[in-house]
Amino acid sequence: DVVMTQTPVSLSVAIGQPASISCKSSQSLVGTSGKTYLNWLLQRPGQSPKRLIYLVSKLDSGIPDRFSGSGSETDFTLKISRVEADDLGVYYCLQGTHFPDTFGAGTKLELK
Amino acid sequence: EVQLVESGGSLVQPGGSLKLSCVASGFTFSNYWMDWVRQTPGKSLEWIGEINTDGSKTNYAPSIKDRFTISRDNAKSTLYLQMSNVKSDDTAIYYCTINWAYWGQGVMVTVSS
Repeated sequence: DVVMTQTPVSLSVAIGQPASISCKSSQSLVGTSGKTYLNWLLQRPGQSPKRLIYLVSKLDSGIPDRFSGSGSETDFTLKISRVEADDLGVYYCLQGTHFPDTFGAGTKLELK
Repeated sequence: EVQLVESGGSLVQPGGSLKLSCVASGFTFSNYWMDWVRQTPGKSLEWIGEINTDGSKTNYAPSIKDRFTISRDNAKSTLYLQMSNVKSDDTAIYYCTINWAYWGQGVMVTVSS
């Protein structure tokens, strides 16, 4: 299985400050179609996960442009330009290129 | 509005069986592959398996080892997860999801004697 390694494990950020989360895969996520099936999810406390970004950098409907995704091959990053209170929770990266789909262990974003 | 509502979670003894349901609404259920995912207490997420649009093809995580079966009834817009020979490691919150974009609220399954 493809191993997804997220860093840091937890992140303490003040409101209005930027945040960055790294996700590294154990093998390239470029598929045979040329697409890279890398997603970012947010799970707020007590809620189900919610997808924020798919195909590395495409924002889901309703996701503010404070969020951005980048990366290629095995190294990916989720950035929040200015953290808001509603951004708190656990962020997961998820790959869908190789069978089976696998998740990172999560990064907990807390308020400083 | 897309909605996924799981049900069927409960306390079950090791070696027992359980069937989870996921009722979908707000979209054309028969047009989408569906997935089951679980989240163990305090841990990350694990993909369990998926089913194609007409139910003729399923794929499962190797860790499931033929103990779980995914099926669907498009006439009822309902997805199922039949769990057999359950183990304590199967204790988790189980979610149904469409392409990771929409998730149900989850249902708790506890395996304990």
